[in-house]
Amino acid sequence: KQEVTQIPAALSVPEGENLVLNCSFTDSAIYNLQWFRQDPGKGLTSLLLIQSSQREQTSGRLNASLDKSSGRSTLYIAASQPGDSATYLCAVGLTFGKGITLSVRP
Amino acid sequence: KAGVTQTPRYLIKTRGQQVTLSCSPISGHRSVSWYQQTPGQGLQFLFEYFSETQRNKGNFPGRFSGRQFSNSRSEMNVSTLELGDSALYLCASSWDRYEQYFGPGTRLTVT
Repeated sequence: KQEVTQIPAALSVPEGENLVLNCSFTDSAIYNLQWFRQDPGKGLTSLLLIQSSQREQTSGRLNASLDKSSGRSTLYIAASQPGDSATYLCAVGLTFGKGITLSVRP
Repeated sequence: KAGVTQTPRYLIKTRGQQVTLSCSPISGHRSVSWYQQTPGQGLQFLFEYFSETQRNKGNFPGRFSGRQFSNSRSEMNVSTLELGDSALYLCASSWDRYEQYFGPGTRLTVT
């Protein structure tokens, strides 16, 4: 049974900082890994999808990497802004982590 | 292209009643997945339908059921509602094991 862990549960950083959000999973036999953003009371917005055969994906200030052998993925956010404040969730196939709530202080 | 739509957006029910939620996927998507989100448990997978067949099922009691129609629209039903069923129910569609796109969710409150 796949288990997805995201630690820490919450993170607070000053504006402008580069940061890394971590996601670990137990079963390396995966189809894909997807990072989402969720604002309070809203649905999920897809940020990046990494297929099993890929090592990383980039979109603007975001970069996600995948290392199946170690069961890890990282989401790198460059030059963080207050608008980046949200909960970030990692999904391995249909299994989600509990998310990391990010607060970017002006 | 229209996104994933869910109806209704908000629902208040009483314990013991049943409820049906609806999800219309993005045009062309054949896979629909359902999730329950609560503050304590996070996002938990309920079931996935692909071309009208249930392809995967999460660890929920039999009170939770679903189906998918030939036009890929999906419904989920919860019978004999309990207070603990209060949650945000999210639906996601994808072409097939690819990028999932989520709807805005249905907020269910059981009193």
